[in-house]
Amino acid sequence: DGGITQSPKYLFRKEGQNVTLSCEQNLNHDAMYWYRQDPGQGLRLIYYSQIVNDFQKGDIAEGYSVSREKKESFPLTVTSAQKNPTAFYLCASSQGFSTYNSPLHFGNGTRLTVT
Amino acid sequence: AQKVTQAQTEISVVEKEDVTLDCVYETRDTTYYLFWYKQPPSGELVFLIRRNSFDEQNEISGRYSWNFQKSTSSFNFTITASQVVDSAVYFCALSEGTTSGTYKYIFGTGTRLKVLA
Repeated sequence: DGGITQSPKYLFRKEGQNVTLSCEQNLNHDAMYWYRQDPGQGLRLIYYSQIVNDFQKGDIAEGYSVSREKKESFPLTVTSAQKNPTAFYLCASSQGFSTYNSPLHFGNGTRLTVT
Repeated sequence: AQKVTQAQTEISVVEKEDVTLDCVYETRDTTYYLFWYKQPPSGELVFLIRRNSFDEQNEISGRYSWNFQKSTSSFNFTITASQVVDSAVYFCALSEGTTSGTYKYIFGTGTRLKVLA
């Protein structure tokens, strides 16, 4: 079955350490996204990529970095510069970047806790 | 500014009751798409429905129905005869193009629905 795989499901890190969240999709989708979910705040866009080797900042990109070396993969690094990194992170993909009627397909998320 | 408002933070109903989740949006565009997603306790958001701005027909899918009213910028979601398995957080989202030629999705803050047995 096609889908999006995020790993790990739970991640614990010490403050000051960088951490990378994995996101892999086998849906052959061009566009991929990273969202952050905090209680009562809905989903906020961190970064998105519409094609390999290209990505754009979302609404809350500070303290995060991404890469898109392969169509299937869009890892997110939470750097030590991110002031409040503890959150639930969701990766998503959609078919094509030229049409905005494509629904997003989501992974199961990674819950990051930084202490 | 583009915005999606889900004023109901949490709703509790008893099984078999009908429940309506409200969604109000703001946009400058004449062409846009609206979506509803369900987030069960497992965390993954599941796509439920998509509606474009030119199609104001209501839609029914089993126990689910959606009422899109452009005049009031609302896209409400009704679950008929609710079941415990409907318990989840429901998100309304708006997709529209940007001036740079890309597009983005804007999510509401979600409504947590609890269906009690």
